[in-house]
Amino acid sequence: VHLVESGGGLVQPGGSLRLSCSASGFTFDTHAMHWVRQAPGKGLQYVSVISKDGGSTYYADSVKGRFTISRDNSRNTLYLQMSSLRAEDTAVYYCVKDCMGVTLFDYWGQGSLVTVSS
Amino acid sequence: EIVLTQSPGSLSLSPGERAALSCRASQSVSSNYLAWYQQKPGQAPRLLIYGASSRATGIPDRFSGSGSGTDFTLTISRLEPEDFAVYYCQQYGPSPGGVYTFGQGTKLEIK
Repeated sequence: VHLVESGGGLVQPGGSLRLSCSASGFTFDTHAMHWVRQAPGKGLQYVSVISKDGGSTYYADSVKGRFTISRDNSRNTLYLQMSSLRAEDTAVYYCVKDCMGVTLFDYWGQGSLVTVSS
Repeated sequence: EIVLTQSPGSLSLSPGERAALSCRASQSVSSNYLAWYQQKPGQAPRLLIYGASSRATGIPDRFSGSGSGTDFTLTISRLEPEDFAVYYCQQYGPSPGGVYTFGQGTKLEIK
């Protein structure tokens, strides 16, 4: 199993960024997929989940209305569109696969750093 | 939303010693859906324990989990140098099914 995030970088407050996660080594469209983030020196924060078929999504209150999770099962790719970015969104964003049909995370990507700063 | 509180915030021990890390939930965790992860600097977290007491694939048997309801413990029987890291507990559930929380972490340091 490999999960490879891309798209991170430096963005100004109020700006937008789209993260991608390319998945391989497992049947992508049989798993819900998640984003978890970690601010520098801080703990893990659950961000969002999308169902296998993309029909259901959930968001942490801190990103609701600003972030959009999506997936393209034909490309085995997960996305996180982030807008109206704030300094407190600065973090490493991990793409995560779940297992056994529950939000138990057996494989994580290497992470993509998003820095929101002027 | 269930709040998970881990204690202590940091723990300083020597290799060979036993470590006991606590995770307390603000309400009962259904089906003992409680997991533990280990994170080393610069790395993604790694799943250690699920279902409160089941070891994930490849996890050494010096790691064990226990507890139910609202009180859970991760025990490392004899600390190896590679065990010094940050440990997080997580409450999980059906996927997708909402937002599931992590504890704030316990940093295990070499004494």
